[in-house]
Amino acid sequence: GAVVSQHPSRVICKSGTSVKIECRSLDFQATTMFWYRQFPKKSLMLMATSNEGSKATYEQGVEKDKFLINHASLTLSTLTVTSAHPEDSSFYICSARTLDRNAEAFFGQGTRLTVV
Amino acid sequence: GEDVEQSLFLSVREGDSSVINCTYTDSSSTYLYWYKQEPGAGLQLLTYIFSNMDMKQDQRLTVLLNKKDKHLSLRIADTQTGDSAIYFCAESTNDYKLSFGAGTTVTVRA
Repeated sequence: GAVVSQHPSRVICKSGTSVKIECRSLDFQATTMFWYRQFPKKSLMLMATSNEGSKATYEQGVEKDKFLINHASLTLSTLTVTSAHPEDSSFYICSARTLDRNAEAFFGQGTRLTVV
Repeated sequence: GEDVEQSLFLSVREGDSSVINCTYTDSSSTYLYWYKQEPGAGLQLLTYIFSNMDMKQDQRLTVLLNKKDKHLSLRIADTQTGDSAIYFCAESTNDYKLSFGAGTTVTVRA
């Protein structure tokens, strides 16, 4: 159980365009979802925390107008990279947590974003 | 994360035991985790331990926690080629936000 599906797995977009990444919890209700960014051979950096029905909380240094997060339902959170630039190219991973399994965070497969 | 440190590489012979070490700085850490990441994939939760425990065993995996020294280790018994991956140590406090180490790349050689 506790499957998190992330879509798309890979996306290439042109500079200046926007890209939306979806994160879905398939068999549980995710009260909280987290968005991470992973640089090559680096650790994961937490970008923001989103709770269903409320505004996301962004980590220091993450531009909230650049990385729009929506958590409209208990099974879906989206990350939109707006006006993408080549430096936004990265591996983005979401994770989800549910109230009855508090300690565990389940991760999606990740999205490889390449901005050309 | 700068608050969680782990060695970057480990090479082990197939059939031997692997031990991956991790240190953390936050004394208020509530949970400590080990995740596995295969190339191009997301993170798979292997195991986690509550901070008031000192050991947890799950099949081939053994987690040891020394809370005084803030040291966590993961032992993989009878390491197989399928165990080749990056292993991340992570910690969280009561807010459940995870702080990750840089990852240890484990290479299993025949």
